[in-house]
Amino acid sequence: QQQVKQSPQSLIVQKGGISIINCAYENTAFDYFPWYQQFPGKGPALLIAIRPDVSEKKEGRFTISFNKSAKQFSLHIMDSQPGDSATYFCAAVSGNTGKLIFGQGTTLQVKP
Amino acid sequence: KAGVTQTPRYLIKTRGQQVTLSCSPISGHRSVSWYQQTPGQGLQFLFEYFSETQRNKGNFPGRFSGRQFSNSRSEMNVSTLELGDSALYLCASSLSWSNTGELFFGEGSRLTVL
Repeated sequence: QQQVKQSPQSLIVQKGGISIINCAYENTAFDYFPWYQQFPGKGPALLIAIRPDVSEKKEGRFTISFNKSAKQFSLHIMDSQPGDSATYFCAAVSGNTGKLIFGQGTTLQVKP
Repeated sequence: KAGVTQTPRYLIKTRGQQVTLSCSPISGHRSVSWYQQTPGQGLQFLFEYFSETQRNKGNFPGRFSGRQFSNSRSEMNVSTLELGDSALYLCASSLSWSNTGELFFGEGSRLTVL
């Protein structure tokens, strides 16, 4: 019940294309859903986050879509660039525990 | 503003030894969390400290322990090292306890156990 399932495990997209990463959760106590981006040799960095009372949040080329009834959320990267090549983690946190539960990660490669 | 600093960045230990990792949070941040990252298990929560008190603990054996000092700096210790403890250990800080999941991560301490 504490898991966050993320797919796909890896993704290859052409420059200018749309990258889509999906996540699903079971625990309805989760009340905040951040996405993290990690480059090799670096720690994860917060990319964008959403609360379950919002269906969509956009920041530049990055958009989170949230479906509360389906307990699913996804990250869309529009106009993907080679510099977006990284590993992306979805996560969920319950305000009661403060414990961040991460998905397994998606390694994105954007080909020039 | 300096980021989260972790030391050492790399270390090699042998089975049975113990190791201490250090983390200096962003100035003003009072919450420090620790995560273990491995290719197989991904990012797993170890524990979180706020104002020198452990607020949360993950599902790790008692060999993993931590503490936080009055200046918010934190250390984690792993005793009786096992091969499976080889991992990247990440420290993250936040202004308050991380109920929003908005954490600032360091670059990690990569531990290799031989």
